[in-house]
Amino acid sequence: NAGVTQTPKFQVLKTGQSMTLQCAQDMNHEYMSWYRQDPGMGLRLIHYSVGAGITDQGEVPNGYNVSRSTTEDFPLRLLSAAPSQTSVYFCASNNAGSGNTQYFGPGTRLTVL
Amino acid sequence: AQSVTQLGSHVSVSEGALVLLRCNYSSSVPPYLFWYVQYPNQGLQLLLKYTSAATLVKGINGFEAEFKKSETSFHLTKPSAHMSDAAEYFCAVSPSGFQKLVFGTGTRLLVSP
Repeated sequence: NAGVTQTPKFQVLKTGQSMTLQCAQDMNHEYMSWYRQDPGMGLRLIHYSVGAGITDQGEVPNGYNVSRSTTEDFPLRLLSAAPSQTSVYFCASNNAGSGNTQYFGPGTRLTVL
Repeated sequence: AQSVTQLGSHVSVSEGALVLLRCNYSSSVPPYLFWYVQYPNQGLQLLLKYTSAATLVKGINGFEAEFKKSETSFHLTKPSAHMSDAAEYFCAVSPSGFQKLVFGTGTRLLVSP
């Protein structure tokens, strides 16, 4: 049981490039979320999903796209990277039975030059 | 809308001293409250959570927190700090029945010998 996994661990992009951050969970959780962590700002919700085929925006969705075609996977896409998207990205999952307890992946550290 | 305020971006204690990390929340509905810990270059790990059962919640590694509705607080304490407690701690709130977490800005705990 791997829990929540994220790839890659580190990534450097140039402004304007696109990429996809991968997130997978093997706990059969209904809910999955993406957060970004910036110094002094805590974690902020980017997008979340309450099940396959259903996604919604969080607090800071601009510049990011998501989709949820399977229960296990929830990729985050940056269509045209900007320096403001330099951050650490965390994926999390939970289900109704976990009492809103979210389980976090190890994170992806992204630098946009 | 829910929000969380963590007083003090850094807290320094000596090994063996009391640890007190402060968290105040605002929520229009009965909340779920969480404390997460983040060790360097790692994801977030749940320390404890409040879900409207007992107001004094015990977590892992000797930490506990008390929910005080009259003060809208959920402070984290540990009687005796250990060097291994050095980490960043995040308080988070979620309205009951929903999955979205709103995080505080975090408090970095420094433990000196």
